[in-house]
Amino acid sequence: AQKITQTQPGMFVQEKEAVTLDCTYDTSDQSYGLFWYKQPSSGEMIFLIYQGSYDEQNATEGRYSLNFQKARKSANLVISASQLGDSAMYFCAMREAGTASKLTFGTGTRLQVTL
Amino acid sequence: GAVVSQHPSWVICKSGTSVKIECRSLDFQATTMFWYRQFPKQSLMLMATSNEGSKATYEQGVEKDKFLINHASLTLSTLTVTSAHPEDSSFYICSARKASGSKNIQYFGAGTRLSVL
Repeated sequence: AQKITQTQPGMFVQEKEAVTLDCTYDTSDQSYGLFWYKQPSSGEMIFLIYQGSYDEQNATEGRYSLNFQKARKSANLVISASQLGDSAMYFCAMREAGTASKLTFGTGTRLQVTL
Repeated sequence: GAVVSQHPSWVICKSGTSVKIECRSLDFQATTMFWYRQFPKQSLMLMATSNEGSKATYEQGVEKDKFLINHASLTLSTLTVTSAHPEDSSFYICSARKASGSKNIQYFGAGTRLSVL
């Protein structure tokens, strides 16, 4: 079974609108971490936001927020007020306990912001 | 945030030669670094975990004699692709783990595009 599932291969959003990128995960651990990274066409991976499994509040970082629903095992990324520079691939990743901090990545979602 | 530098960003080499890629954490110490490979339009595939002062841990299916990893200091890990062949052409990207309580976030370099002729 896939550990990280991103069901949206591609998404379009209009500039200044909000967009939600979906991510579901599968783990039997109680302690784990969830991450979102952005990969522009240049190739670098940019860390966006982190959510710990024990964190009671949803993580927020500027225009990025993570909608964490533990019972549903989902960790959706919400980008508010989209900008043209947000066009990129977005990867959801999970770190499980006892894995020496290894990350498992989803297949990614390509976001295109339009005028 | 944290800065990870990866060099070179792009390399072309002849088949049979070796290529070394460097990964440096510029403003933090990293006892653990990671090396990934990414094929076009695909996700990142972990190749190995690089531990400072000890041998790297390779993922299943990754040839340790072909992909040599050295993590000699707390800020530098190197990946050497030995006797490179065209099938080794890919995008290689490293990350460094920054310890911060329970977060332990991986910060990535900009990647290296390797083309083997």
